[in-house]
Amino acid sequence: GQQVMQIPQYQHVQEGEDFTTYCNSSTTLSNIQWYKQRPGGHPVFLIQLVKSGEVKKQKRLTFQFGEAKKNSSLHITATQTTDVGTYFCAGRVGGSQGNLIFGKGTKLSVKP
Amino acid sequence: DTEVTQTPKHLVMGMTNKKSLKCEQHMGHRAMYWYKQKAKKPPELMFVYSYEKLSINESVPSRFSPECPNSSLLNLHLHALQPEDSALYLCASSPRQGEMAGEQYFGPGTRLTVT
Repeated sequence: GQQVMQIPQYQHVQEGEDFTTYCNSSTTLSNIQWYKQRPGGHPVFLIQLVKSGEVKKQKRLTFQFGEAKKNSSLHITATQTTDVGTYFCAGRVGGSQGNLIFGKGTKLSVKP
Repeated sequence: DTEVTQTPKHLVMGMTNKKSLKCEQHMGHRAMYWYKQKAKKPPELMFVYSYEKLSINESVPSRFSPECPNSSLLNLHLHALQPEDSALYLCASSPRQGEMAGEQYFGPGTRLTVT
């Protein structure tokens, strides 16, 4: 079946260091979304990428969608303790049903 | 109002009990979802409703029974659950279903424990 692989599973960084998580799909995606889930919380939508090669920025966060629309990345510059949580990518396949296929997530911990 | 609400926040039930989870949104979204999330795992899709009709059932056991009384409400009826069904149950909504669904808004979830 369709899968979205996400790495790494865990990342421990010192505050101020950069962080990147990567997603790779077995099939071409219609679009990809990114969510953040704080410990004890629920997934919160961060962004949606639709176009091939798209790059979007939100303050210290940079999101990229690959040219083939099969891979994506989230890069955080100069991490802060408020960035702690699990980051999920979720790829959407085409068609009328168009389910989101979640990656397994990357759990980020930040040491002050 | 960009909020999805869920009740109850926590639920403990025995294997012979019948209970219901409730979800509500007032964003005018026409697609609503139930997800199950186990610890350290991503959300796992259970059901999708589109325009109040069941669109997707991801082979969920019949002890879980969804219901969409109207465009704002989504229920999940629980009966004869097993301990392995203990999880966080998340409701979500989006403007529509499918390729152009847009972002999903998740509720805070119901943390269910089956004893």
